[in-house]
Amino acid sequence: EVHLVESGGGLVQPGGSLRLSCAASRFIFSTYWMSWVRQAPGKGLEWVATIKPDGNEQYYVDSVKGRFTISRDNAKNSLYLQMNSLRADDTAVYYCARGIYTMLSGYYFDYWGQGTRVTVSS
Amino acid sequence: SYELTQPPSVSVSPGQTARITCSGDALPKQYAFWYQKKPGQAPVLVIYKDTERPSGILERFSGSSSGTTVTLTISGVQPGDEAEYYCQSADSSGTYWVFGGGTKLTVL
Repeated sequence: EVHLVESGGGLVQPGGSLRLSCAASRFIFSTYWMSWVRQAPGKGLEWVATIKPDGNEQYYVDSVKGRFTISRDNAKNSLYLQMNSLRADDTAVYYCARGIYTMLSGYYFDYWGQGTRVTVSS
Repeated sequence: SYELTQPPSVSVSPGQTARITCSGDALPKQYAFWYQKKPGQAPVLVIYKDTERPSGILERFSGSSSGTTVTLTISGVQPGDEAEYYCQSADSSGTYWVFGGGTKLTVL
């Protein structure tokens, strides 16, 4: 079965940076859209960023544009999220998710990792 | 920005039917997807393309769509179904994705 394992979370001060990683296995990583989704404490799920299979197009929620960068290394079966200028409201569990996209069906998340916790606090 | 609206909570007794709605202006043109989220666990896809059920998801879970509202129906609710349920879709551009605020299903 599809396996997604996030890492890189931790405690960081406001204004700081953090890089999350997601190691993918048991599927052909280079052929799938991939995303990051987060859940702040006591809040709901929030889509954060998505990247196409070839890495040439990325999409972001408005609140992270200009601060976060999603990227991938298909040779290493890995997904990344570079987070800069972190704020307290970025505190959340960050999930790596595999996506299914078609023009007719839209885009959704069929497999998820267990998440990595990011805490932004002084 | 685009929003999907869900009721904060739904409560039913075991064996009854739970219906969770999700409303959004773009839903007539964009498919909706539903996820089950239990504390400390990763979300699980339970419905895709408004009405389709992924393999491994019980037949008790079904979806429907009418205009700007989609509905997740759980028949014969069991205590193990207690969870937060989220709808997800896209805005009219198709490349900006959102989740509803989530509905906590309580089994009385």
